[in-house]
Amino acid sequence: DAGVTQSPTHLIKTRGQQVTLRCSPKSGHDTVSWYQQALGQGPQFIFQYYEEEERQRGNFPDRFSGHQFPNYSSELNVNALLLGDSALYLCASSLGSLTNQPQHFGDGTRLSIL
Amino acid sequence: AQKVTQAQTEISVVEKEDVTLDCVYETRDTTYYLFWYKQPPSGELVFLIRRNSFDEQNEISGRYSWNFQKSTSSFNFTITASQVVDSAVYFCALSEPLGTSGSRLTFGEGTQLTVNP
Repeated sequence: DAGVTQSPTHLIKTRGQQVTLRCSPKSGHDTVSWYQQALGQGPQFIFQYYEEEERQRGNFPDRFSGHQFPNYSSELNVNALLLGDSALYLCASSLGSLTNQPQHFGDGTRLSIL
Repeated sequence: AQKVTQAQTEISVVEKEDVTLDCVYETRDTTYYLFWYKQPPSGELVFLIRRNSFDEQNEISGRYSWNFQKSTSSFNFTITASQVVDSAVYFCALSEPLGTSGSRLTFGEGTQLTVNP
C-alpha cells in the first residue's frame, strides 16, 4: 500500500524563478492538502484540494497556486520565488475533506532559494 | 482563530525514562479533533493518534498514552520507558472545519524530544 509520495526530494532555485512540486496521494485517498514548514516551526496550511477544486486556502499570496488531477494527484506552483519561500513543503492526503479524517503526510520537498 | 501551544521547545531524557509532552489548544468550535504527529529527521510527519472533542476517555497504546482534558483545553502525550528511536519532533495539531467543506490542521511549534542511551 503506497503512502504519499512527493517529488522532487530537494530543489534549489534562485529568486524570481518559478517551481512546481508534485504529490501522489495515498492509495484510496481523494483529498490533498499542502503545508509549508519553515525551519524549526510547525507546518502552515497553504490550501486543500478536493474533487479537483481548491476548497480552502490559508494565508498565502496568489504566487502560490495548485492543481488537482482526475487521479487525485496534485501540484503546487510557486511563482516569483522569494528567499522566504525556502522551506520544507509537505503534501498530505486524506479520505474526504472533513475534520475527522487524519491526514497522512509525505516526506516533503525541501526547497532552497538562493 | 484556532491556536495550538506546545510550551516545551526541547526535552532531553535518558533511555527508559517516562516523558510527557504538553499541548494546549484554543478553539471556538464545539466539535473538533486533535492529533499528535511525530516527525523524525527524514521529514515525514507520522500520524500517531486522533481524538474527538466528545471523547475524553484517556487511552493507552503500548508505550504511548494520551490525556485529554476538555476543561483545561489540554491534550498531553506520554511515552513510557522511552527509547532512542523515539527521538523526533512531536507536533500537536487541531483540525478546523473551513466553510461548508474542507478542513485544515493547525499545528503547534513542536517539541524536540531527544532520548539519550
